[in-house]
Amino acid sequence: GDSVTQMEGPVTLSEEAFLTINCTYTATGYPSLFWYVQYPGEGLQLLLKATKADDKGSNKGFEATYRKETTSFHLEKGSVQVSDSAVYFCALPLGDKIIFGKGTRLHILP
Amino acid sequence: GAGVSQSPSNKVTEKGKDVELRCDPISGHTALYWYRQSLGQGLEFLIYFQGNSAPDKSGLPSDRFSAERTGGSVSTLTIQRTQQEDSAVYLCASSLNRRDYGYTFGSGTRLTVV
Repeated sequence: GDSVTQMEGPVTLSEEAFLTINCTYTATGYPSLFWYVQYPGEGLQLLLKATKADDKGSNKGFEATYRKETTSFHLEKGSVQVSDSAVYFCALPLGDKIIFGKGTRLHILP
Repeated sequence: GAGVSQSPSNKVTEKGKDVELRCDPISGHTALYWYRQSLGQGLEFLIYFQGNSAPDKSGLPSDRFSAERTGGSVSTLTIQRTQQEDSAVYLCASSLNRRDYGYTFGSGTRLTVV
């Protein structure tokens, strides 16, 4: 069935480092793809999305490109900040709901 | 309201007791979702409401779990005869309609069964 798989965490980086969090998916057709973020003590919020193949979603310096050839939607940021420390979830729709990956915890050291 | 509100934020209960978790969605959002977040398990879908009806209850883990939504607004998730494995953070989200995937999540209820 449809699913998303994302890299295990935690990921620890120094401030200003380059970030990649891998996400691959299994799906029928070409669904929209999402990244959600959960900052400490807060609810999940939508970070970015892409609705079709080759689309690039972007927000707050983060980017992810929908690649159907590799069934991937990796999250990237060129220069991370301490405030980016959070848990990141890759997700895709399944019928009327969203299914989420297990989440990747990101720690950014000053 | 301005956001999705969940109460209580924390709940400690004894094994075997019943608990009720409340979710107050954003006004005007017709779709409402319950998820469970356990350490190492990610987000597990429980149930979703469109208006007051629940077209998809496929994620409820056992018949001890039930949920209702009244007036197309507030929802209550009830867990009967709680077990230790029910300990988790229970998240509620709402969206404008069932195919709007830009969910707004509440901060969750952390349930601890002792």
